[in-house]
Amino acid sequence: EVQLVQSGAEVKKPGESLKISCKSSGYTFTNYWIGWVRQMPGKGLEWMGVIYPDDSETRYSPSFQGQVAISADKSITTAYLQWGSLKASDTAMYYCARQSPRVGSEFDFWGQGTLVTVSS
Amino acid sequence: SSELTQPPSVSVSPGQTARITCSGDSLPKKYAYWYQQKSGQAPVLVIYEDSKRPSGIPERISGSSSGTLATLTISGAQVEDEADYYCYSTDRNDNDRRIFGGGTKLIVL
Repeated sequence: EVQLVQSGAEVKKPGESLKISCKSSGYTFTNYWIGWVRQMPGKGLEWMGVIYPDDSETRYSPSFQGQVAISADKSITTAYLQWGSLKASDTAMYYCARQSPRVGSEFDFWGQGTLVTVSS
Repeated sequence: SSELTQPPSVSVSPGQTARITCSGDSLPKKYAYWYQQKSGQAPVLVIYEDSKRPSGIPERISGSSSGTLATLTISGAQVEDEADYYCYSTDRNDNDRRIFGGGTKLIVL
């Protein structure tokens, strides 16, 4: 059974750094792209970017390029989303999801989400 | 970059047919996908490659696409279908970038 289990909710202050995680199981981690999706409070889904864990190739949405970093550790089948300096506008639910191997590369399995709250 | 446009909300009575549209200039050449997100839950894929249903998705949920318009149809909508629905596709100008529509709130009452 494919499972993506995300780390718990975080409360941070502006300017702090943060790294959240997404632990995958039930499939060959290095064979599938895995990505991150942001959902700000009361708003829609936003595609942030993806990583191919086998070689750590990454692709970012222009909206998030330079704002976050996506990484992966294939030895522990875990993907990460990282901020160097959080802003209040980073407050959101963040989902990780696995991309299917189909032509459209849609997300076929999702984590439960990690709520990040940034407040002074 | 491309955009996908959806109506903010659609309302139907139980048993009626709900149609949610998604308009985008990438759709003539790229597949449309649909996600259902119930309150407080992660999204669930309900349609892939314009019209295919993943296992476990009820037959009353169907999809179609023609030109720049993709449509999600829920025949005989039930109260349990009330959710936000998002279309998803590939950016027409960047094959590595994916985009979501703004989402449509389906109200069944």
